[in-house]
Amino acid sequence: GQNIDQPTEMTATEGAIVQINCTYQTSGFNGLFWYQQHAGEAPTFLSYNVLDGLEEKGRFSSFLSRSKGYSYLLLKELQMKDSASYLCAVRDSNYQLIWGAGTKLIIKP
Amino acid sequence: DTGVSQNPRHKITKRGQNVTFRCDPISEHNRLYWYRQTLGQGPEFLTYFQNEAQLEKSRLLSDRFSAERPKGSFSTLEIQRTEQGDSAMYLCASSPTGTYTGELFFGEGSRLTVL
Repeated sequence: GQNIDQPTEMTATEGAIVQINCTYQTSGFNGLFWYQQHAGEAPTFLSYNVLDGLEEKGRFSSFLSRSKGYSYLLLKELQMKDSASYLCAVRDSNYQLIWGAGTKLIIKP
Repeated sequence: DTGVSQNPRHKITKRGQNVTFRCDPISEHNRLYWYRQTLGQGPEFLTYFQNEAQLEKSRLLSDRFSAERPKGSFSTLEIQRTEQGDSAMYLCASSPTGTYTGELFFGEGSRLTVL
């Protein structure tokens, strides 16, 4: 079966750094996505990795290791507005997105 | 506003009634997806259109669910004889072809409550 695992909830302090991990087992791999979803709102695209390595975009970075079936999202200089759920999704061999359940990130002052 | 538009945003209905949701994708996007999401879960794939053709439908989707995209622009998702288990957020997303990422652009969703 296909599976995406990520922690259910994480807590971090404003101004700090947090790393959200995602491991996956899918039938084929055609890219990994991270989306941010605020409560009651739609998911919005954050990052895309298809090759191994780190992709940096401002305060957010995403890392991929295809051999390990592993990715992480790194958020720096945390702000209160970063409180949200972070969804990891993998595009499989059929070009369908397989979604994780999301990690709820709580930022404390 | 040129984003994905969904309506109604909220729908409360009694069990057994039919409901229909509409999605207007970003105009130049030819791919359109419907997802269902419940609290604390990721989006669950329902169906996918390339222009007006429905190319894939989730095997988990019962025959009470039907979707159309008659002219390759807007789409409708109908749920017949609603059940309490259908209560969820119904998300529509669109994407263009030929881009590097093929990322999805989501609408604000239609929240369904079945009493």
